[in-house]
Amino acid sequence: DIQMTQSPSSLSASVGDRVTITCRASHRINSYLNWYQQKPGKAPTLLIYGASSLQSGVPSRFSGSGSGTDFTLTISSLQPEDFATYYCQQSSSTLITFGQGTRVDIK
Amino acid sequence: QVHLVQSGAEVKKPGASVKVSCRTSGYPFTDYPIYWLRQAPGQRLECMGWVNTVNGKVEISQKFQGRLTMTRDTSTNTAYMVLTSLTSADTALYFCARYYLGVVRGKGTANWFDSWGQGTHVVVSS
Repeated sequence: DIQMTQSPSSLSASVGDRVTITCRASHRINSYLNWYQQKPGKAPTLLIYGASSLQSGVPSRFSGSGSGTDFTLTISSLQPEDFATYYCQQSSSTLITFGQGTRVDIK
Repeated sequence: QVHLVQSGAEVKKPGASVKVSCRTSGYPFTDYPIYWLRQAPGQRLECMGWVNTVNGKVEISQKFQGRLTMTRDTSTNTAYMVLTSLTSADTALYFCARYYLGVVRGKGTANWFDSWGQGTHVVVSS
């Protein structure tokens, strides 16, 4: 299995802050990396696919970068609705795996 | 519009089995595989396996080998998941999700989960 490790596991931030979350894969996965946002008790929603492509309808303050084993999700100016948990997911193998999540809460 | 609608919450005794359905609409059912995932309280999302909606072939994560059965019914555009020999460790929110194949500009094609069921709570308790 390809292991996905996110950091940090949680962070506190204020509205307007720039937030960066990293994700590292245990094997090279090219750009087969997706990012999701999840709120409590709900299904995740897709933010970024192919490491850096913004899903339709997702605000442009979200961006993704990276390839190989190291990836980043950036929120350029945190909004109240962005307080949630964020997951990376590799799609390099058919048995996909997720990172452990990064919870973003209000400072 | 794509919709995935799952069956309702279940409460089961240890040792029992649970069956969860995932009814899809709004797209050709056989165009994309369906994955089953789960999330125990406070834990990461975990892939249980997936079903090829064209031919019914499945791939099951090693953790669930021998306990998980996944099927699909192309006449009703519905996928099913049965998990047997339940223990308290199986208490979780279970999701089905469509595994979309799309074009990534400048990088070829890739897959991602673009549509999810609403989740089915399964509680295993004596």
